Amino acid sequence: ETGVTQTPRHLVMGMTNKKSLKCEQHLGHNAMYWYKQSAKKPLELMFVYNFKEQTENNSVPSRFSPECPNSSHLFLHLHTLQPEDSALYLCASSQDGRKEQPQHFGDGTRLSIL
Amino acid sequence: AQSVAQPEDQVNVAEGNPLTVKCTYSVSGNPYLFWYVQYPNRGLQFLLKYITGDNLVKGSYGFEAEFNKSQTSFHLKKPSALVSDSALYFCAVRDIASGTYKYIFGTGTRLKVLA
Repeated sequence: ETGVTQTPRHLVMGMTNKKSLKCEQHLGHNAMYWYKQSAKKPLELMFVYNFKEQTENNSVPSRFSPECPNSSHLFLHLHTLQPEDSALYLCASSQDGRKEQPQHFGDGTRLSIL
Repeated sequence: AQSVAQPEDQVNVAEGNPLTVKCTYSVSGNPYLFWYVQYPNRGLQFLLKYITGDNLVKGSYGFEAEFNKSQTSFHLKKPSALVSDSALYFCAVRDIASGTYKYIFGTGTRLKVLA
């Protein structure tokens, strides 16, 4: 049990579908992150939220739309995705302001675009 | 810019032998360094960190890491490898100097422990 829960664990969707990934953390952290992990590529930071405010958007295409309604929940809304968007999407949380604290990761959503 | 490098894509070691997974870093100011492990179909799990103090840091599952300031390295070690240690290992540094507090990850090293 990592304290960070991601749903669904697996998602298969067509390029014209709309779906959402959900992340929930039970650690009392104030920062949440979305990462993309593709085979044979470095971990890519997509978005960062700190106290519900987006503080980082790493040139992510607009077909990915994050939402952070409170410090415990983070969503990634997906629409008109491309085959190259197939990857493992990881959510993480941390306690910002505590420089020495590591991130805590969920187990990811494995996304396949048909 | 802050960065970490993991020079080996894969490390193979026989069960019972010592293992080392290498990491070098480049940061301004004091480094905040972390090691994570990722098992198949799982997220990254925190293993250990170096913030300050003793250069040898102990972590989970019998792993330890040696911080070397002069060589700007933070290698992960274990005295006796287990087959169950086979996984993907990531080194990370926290970018404090820029004020963003971002975590910057290496490209990962796949460890294979052979029975």
